[in-house]
Amino acid sequence: EVQLKESGPGLVQPSQTLSLTCTVSGFSLTDYSVHWVRQPPGKGLEWMGVMWSGGSTAYNSALKSRLSISRDTSKSQVFLKMNSLQTEDTAIYYCTRPGREPHWFAYWGQGTLVTVSS
Amino acid sequence: DIQMTQSPASLSASLGETISIECLASEGISSYLAWYQQKPGKSPQLLIYGANSLQAGVPSRFSGSGSGTQYSLKISSMQPEDEGDYFCQQSYKFPYTFGAGTKLELK
Repeated sequence: EVQLKESGPGLVQPSQTLSLTCTVSGFSLTDYSVHWVRQPPGKGLEWMGVMWSGGSTAYNSALKSRLSISRDTSKSQVFLKMNSLQTEDTAIYYCTRPGREPHWFAYWGQGTLVTVSS
Repeated sequence: DIQMTQSPASLSASLGETISIECLASEGISSYLAWYQQKPGKSPQLLIYGANSLQAGVPSRFSGSGSGTQYSLKISSMQPEDEGDYFCQQSYKFPYTFGAGTKLELK
């Protein structure tokens, strides 16, 4: 069974760095990409970036200067780091994976709420 | 970035009613369009991909259509479990972008 699970701090202070982990099971990170998508409370979805199965990355240009995605294949984990957090970065952060078709998000983690506040 | 304009923002439907939700892309996206349903406190669920392909396990009352810049999601007979938020998403170009969402409620 494909599973993804996000973990990380629920509260981050303004100007600090957010570090999140997506731990996956039921598939290999070398076979499928893992994407990060976030959703401010009560609002829409924003694609943040992707760790491709080959190990390269791509980022939303709106976040690129602050965002870094990496992985540890031996631990089946994908990491998100974003610096200079502001209150508008308060959101539910999801990791997600395509299904058989590479462009659509068939599997989602439960999401983790990150609040940026002092 | 490709802008996805979704309408209506909210919709109230009666049991058994047929409803449609529209998504307009700011440029042609060659059917690289998906629809997701999200229920309160839950992660989004893929309903339709490639504009008109039904994801496995999704009831057949859901269907998608469209081409070029205009796409739509149809629910042929509204059921109580269909209440929730619906989002379109384009994957034609990076960054992938989503519509602002449609809140569907049972009247």
